[in-house]
Amino acid sequence: LAKTTQPISMDSYEGQEVNITCSHNNIATNDYITWYQQFPSQGPRFIIQGYKTKVTNEVASLFIPADRKSSTLSLPRVSLSDTAVYYCLVGVVNTNAGKSTFGDGTTLTVKP
Amino acid sequence: DTEVTQTPKHLVMGMTNKKSLKCEQHMGHRAMYWYKQKAKKPPELMFVYSYEKLSINESVPSRFSPECPNSSLLNLHLHALQPEDSALYLCASSQDGVTNYGYTFGSGTRLTVV
Repeated sequence: LAKTTQPISMDSYEGQEVNITCSHNNIATNDYITWYQQFPSQGPRFIIQGYKTKVTNEVASLFIPADRKSSTLSLPRVSLSDTAVYYCLVGVVNTNAGKSTFGDGTTLTVKP
Repeated sequence: DTEVTQTPKHLVMGMTNKKSLKCEQHMGHRAMYWYKQKAKKPPELMFVYSYEKLSINESVPSRFSPECPNSSLLNLHLHALQPEDSALYLCASSQDGVTNYGYTFGSGTRLTVV
C-alpha cells in the first residue's frame, strides 16, 4: 500500500486559494489518488479523484505531476465552511482490494 | 438514492451487552466496508465485503462480527466490547472494480462502551 504524507495543519483566510500537497512516493501503476473532506462527527465526503495530469470539478482541482509521486488539491476561494480535515488516499478502490489507506490528514482552518 | 445510511447514530453499551450496527445503501454498489475512527485520527479499515462475501478482515478482534445479508445491507455485531472500542464506526460502499470513483461514506455510529 502506498503511504501518504500530508501537512498536519494549514491556516487560510476567506476568499483565498488553498493548495494542499500529498506525497506518495511508492504509488503503484494501478493506483488512483482520491481526496476526501471530513467534518467533525461525520463520514468523509468524496471531493475529487484523478490518475494523472489535472482534474477539475465544481469544487476543486487536482494536480498530479508526470511521476505521480505527489498530488496537490486546490480549493479556490475558500470560505469558513471549508474548515475541515482533508485526506489524501492512494489505492485501487475495487471489490477485490479495497485497501486504500488513509493518511493522517490535513486540518484546514479558514479564518474570517 | 446516493446515500449510505447508518443506524443508530449514537449507541451506549455495557461491556456485557450485545448490540448491532446497521448500514444500508441503494446505489447498486457491490463493495461495502466498515471503518473505525478514533478522535483526531484517520479512519482505519476493519472489514471489506465484496459481492456479499467477506474479502478482507484487518485482524479485527472476534468481538466484532460483520455480516452482509444482501447487497444493500451490512451489519456489525458487537459483543463483549471494551471501553477502548469506543469510537466512530463508519460504513462505506463503492462501485465494482472496473471504475474508480471512491467511497461513499455514511455519517457513522458514535459508540460509547461503558
